[in-house]
Amino acid sequence: DAKTTQPTSMDCAEGRAANLPCNHSTISGNEYVYWYRQIHSQGPQYIIHGLKNNETNEMASLIITEDRKSSTLILPHATLRDTAVYYCIVTSRGSQGNLIFGKGTKLSVKP
Amino acid sequence: EAGVTQSPTHLIKTRGQQATLRCSPISGHTSVYWYQQALGLGLQFLLWYDEGEERNRGNFPPRFSGRQFPNYSSELNVNALELEDSALYLCASSETGTSGARNTQYFGPGTRLTVL
Repeated sequence: DAKTTQPTSMDCAEGRAANLPCNHSTISGNEYVYWYRQIHSQGPQYIIHGLKNNETNEMASLIITEDRKSSTLILPHATLRDTAVYYCIVTSRGSQGNLIFGKGTKLSVKP
Repeated sequence: EAGVTQSPTHLIKTRGQQATLRCSPISGHTSVYWYQQALGLGLQFLLWYDEGEERNRGNFPPRFSGRQFPNYSSELNVNALELEDSALYLCASSETGTSGARNTQYFGPGTRLTVL
C-alpha cells in the first residue's frame, strides 16, 4: 500500500471549513484513499473514501487531484466536536486486510 | 443498526496472566480485524479473520492469537501478558475482506487492557 504524508497538526476556527491535506504520490491505480478520525481514546470513525472522483457525504467532502497524488478532506463547518486526529490511508481493495495508520493530523477546532 | 461492540470496556490483569477480549461485528459483516494502540503510538494491525479463518496477522508474537466463531464474532487472546501489552485493543469489521466495494472497516470503541 502507498505511503501517505500529512501535516502533524492544524488549527481551525469553529464554523469555518477545515481543509486537511494528504500527499500520496506513490498511489497506484487500484488504491483507494480512505479517511478516518479518532477522538481521544475512542475507536477510529470512518469518514469517507474515494478512488478517482470527488466524493461527498453527510460528514465531509473528499477532493482527489486529477493525478491522484494528493487529496484534501473538507469539513465544511467545523465544530468543537470535530477536534480529533485525522488519518489518511491508501489501501487497495485486494490488500491483506490491514489498514496502515500513520501519525495523522491533529485538528484542533477553536471557538 | 448496531455498530461493532467490544467487551469488556476495561480489563486489568497482572503480568503472566491471560486476557480474552471479545468483539461482535456489525450484522452482515463476515470479516473481523484486531488492532493494538499502545499509549502514544499508532494503530498496529494484529489479526484478520474472515469466514472463520485467520487470513493475515501482523508482526506480533504467537502469544497473540484469536478465533472467529460461526456467528462471525471474534475473540482475541493474549497469553503470558507483559507490561508492554498495556494498550487499547480495537476491533473492526467489514462486509467482506476480499476485493470489492464492501470492505470498508468500521471500528468498535475498544478494550483498554492494563497489565500490572
